[in-house]
Amino acid sequence: SQKIEQNSEALNIQEGKTATLTCNYTNYSPAYLQWYRQDPGRGPVFLLLIRENEKEKRKERLKVTFDTTLKQSLFHITASQPADSATYLCALSGRDDKIIFGKGTRLHILP
Amino acid sequence: EPEVTQTPSHQVTQMGQEVILRCVPISNHLYFYWYRQILGQKVEFLVSFYNNEISEKSEIFDDQFSVERPDGSNFTLKIRSTKLEDSAMYFCASGSGEYLNTEAFFGQGTRLTVV
Repeated sequence: SQKIEQNSEALNIQEGKTATLTCNYTNYSPAYLQWYRQDPGRGPVFLLLIRENEKEKRKERLKVTFDTTLKQSLFHITASQPADSATYLCALSGRDDKIIFGKGTRLHILP
Repeated sequence: EPEVTQTPSHQVTQMGQEVILRCVPISNHLYFYWYRQILGQKVEFLVSFYNNEISEKSEIFDDQFSVERPDGSNFTLKIRSTKLEDSAMYFCASGSGEYLNTEAFFGQGTRLTVV
């Protein structure tokens, strides 16, 4: 069955440094890979989407890479701030009508 | 900015009772979803709805669950006979469909507690 793994249940990063989160997947060939942010008790918030034929996508301080050979995506937050502390979810979608989420990585930005 | 709204924010119900969770998706969106998240676990897909019918559903979405779009704005999830294990946060989401299944906008969720 399809599986999404996000490394580290929790990641602590010093303010101002770059945070890098990893998403690996198996048994799936997604057309799109997405990253969402989720704060406690709240719904996920869409951040970025990258297509299967794209290698990299940027938005402000965020950067996503997508390697379909390695079946891996990296999510980077540069110049991290305490307000970036949240759980970040990797999500895959294909040509069927559903989006599948990983369990998420809890990111703590330390002041 | 348009948003997905869900009501109620919290619902407590007795085991065996029926519950209806309500959602108002973003008005020009075409795709509608229900997800659930048990405390401490991942966001799990339940069902997607497009063109007034279910387009995908997961193994979780059994005969106890149903969805409806009773009018042009509301989208509901009904659980016919709730079980203790149905306790979770339920999220409604909608998408424009511009890129098929992408960029889902989530509501703030309904916390369902079955006692």
